[in-house]
Amino acid sequence: EPEVTQTPSHQVTQMGQEVILRCVPISNHLYFYWYRQILGQKVEFLVSFYNNEISEKSEIFDDQFSVERPDGSNFTLKIRSTKLEDSAMYFCASTGADTQYFGPGTRLTVL
Amino acid sequence: GENVEQHPSTLSVQEGDSAVIKCTYSDSASNYFPWYKQELGKRPQLIIDIRSNVGEKKDQRIAVTLNKTAKHFSLHITETQPEDSAVYFCAPQGVSARQLTFGSGTQLTVLP
Repeated sequence: EPEVTQTPSHQVTQMGQEVILRCVPISNHLYFYWYRQILGQKVEFLVSFYNNEISEKSEIFDDQFSVERPDGSNFTLKIRSTKLEDSAMYFCASTGADTQYFGPGTRLTVL
Repeated sequence: GENVEQHPSTLSVQEGDSAVIKCTYSDSASNYFPWYKQELGKRPQLIIDIRSNVGEKKDQRIAVTLNKTAKHFSLHITETQPEDSAVYFCAPQGVSARQLTFGSGTQLTVLP
């Protein structure tokens, strides 16, 4: 059964550094998402992407964040200058219709 | 935006008993209502979903009921087992905004 994959599984970075989180959505899906989950809290929507452009974004997704689909398979989330409060689990998800399938997540730790 | 409330926040049941978790939402245009199970350190996994043209759906020990008039939907787990212990999230999806809005989660503990 196809799955969403994410790399790396764990990323440690210094405050102020740039990070890129990578996702490979399920191949025939058209909608892609990034969510984040701070430890012990609920999952929060960041951004949705369709037809090579952002379709929705939350208040969390400020100018420090960007997304890109650089080729036919990868979907990336970039944080330009990380802050301590960016430490969280970041999940990528994709869907062809309604059901969203989540990747295993990238745990980002900002020191 | 969508406001989602989920109750209870924690739930402990004896193995074999039933568990019910309720979710209320604010956006009357929401038309897709999934429930996700998340084990510690793992991804959210879809366990059951329902669409707005259906009032109830069942899959073995798990069922979801939807009341669109009252804007709430519930997860029912019967004959609970220790492996059902996890955090459960409701996550209604609207028509105009395709993202999921997650509830705050319910920590279910099934005691052997």
